[in-house]
Amino acid sequence: AQKVTQAQTEISVVEKEDVTLDCVYETRDTTYYLFWYKQPPSGELVFLIRRNSFDEQNEISGRYSWNFQKSTSSFNFTITASQVVDSAVYFCALTNAGNNRKLIWGLGTSLAVNP
Amino acid sequence: DADVTQTPRNRITKTGKRIMLECSQTKGHDRMYWYRQDPGLGLRLIYYSFDVKDINKGEISDGYSVSRQAQAKFSLSLESAIPNQTALYFCATSELVFTEQFFGPGTRLTVL
Repeated sequence: AQKVTQAQTEISVVEKEDVTLDCVYETRDTTYYLFWYKQPPSGELVFLIRRNSFDEQNEISGRYSWNFQKSTSSFNFTITASQVVDSAVYFCALTNAGNNRKLIWGLGTSLAVNP
Repeated sequence: DADVTQTPRNRITKTGKRIMLECSQTKGHDRMYWYRQDPGLGLRLIYYSFDVKDINKGEISDGYSVSRQAQAKFSLSLESAIPNQTALYFCATSELVFTEQFFGPGTRLTVL
């Protein structure tokens, strides 16, 4: 069975702090895809990144970075020098290759960045 | 204009009423999805469609039905609304099953 666990339900930081959101996944397949989405207080869901299981390179996009480690089945998300606008719920998700595969979602981590 | 639109954005209705939520997309994607979001429960899949003739139940389809009128349109119906269907409903599309999903703005439904 596939599963995504985001153990941190809520995180609160002060602006400019670095923060890491954890995502641990379970799957028996060798080909799979991992995603991060952001849901700001306004409610929309915004795609951040997709990673396939064959690409373990870390990704950096501005203040955002992602650490994919197959050895620990983790796909963690770090925000460097956090800002108030980063306050949101962040979801990690997993799907496998194949036409009938569905996206498995974690329950999300609510991040509050305080001024 | 938004790529994925949902109407209405907010709806308050009474128990037993029939409700339809509509979703339209201009991304040209074949795959469309309906989710509901409840506090603490994340996103749960209600129905999904891989093309106009292919509709599948998700993990919580009871009490819901869907219609894929065209590639661009995917509607969700609550045949007889009940209070525990009060939730935020999202429509989404994707090019392939393993590519990112693009979400509509959501419909906040309240059943009294």
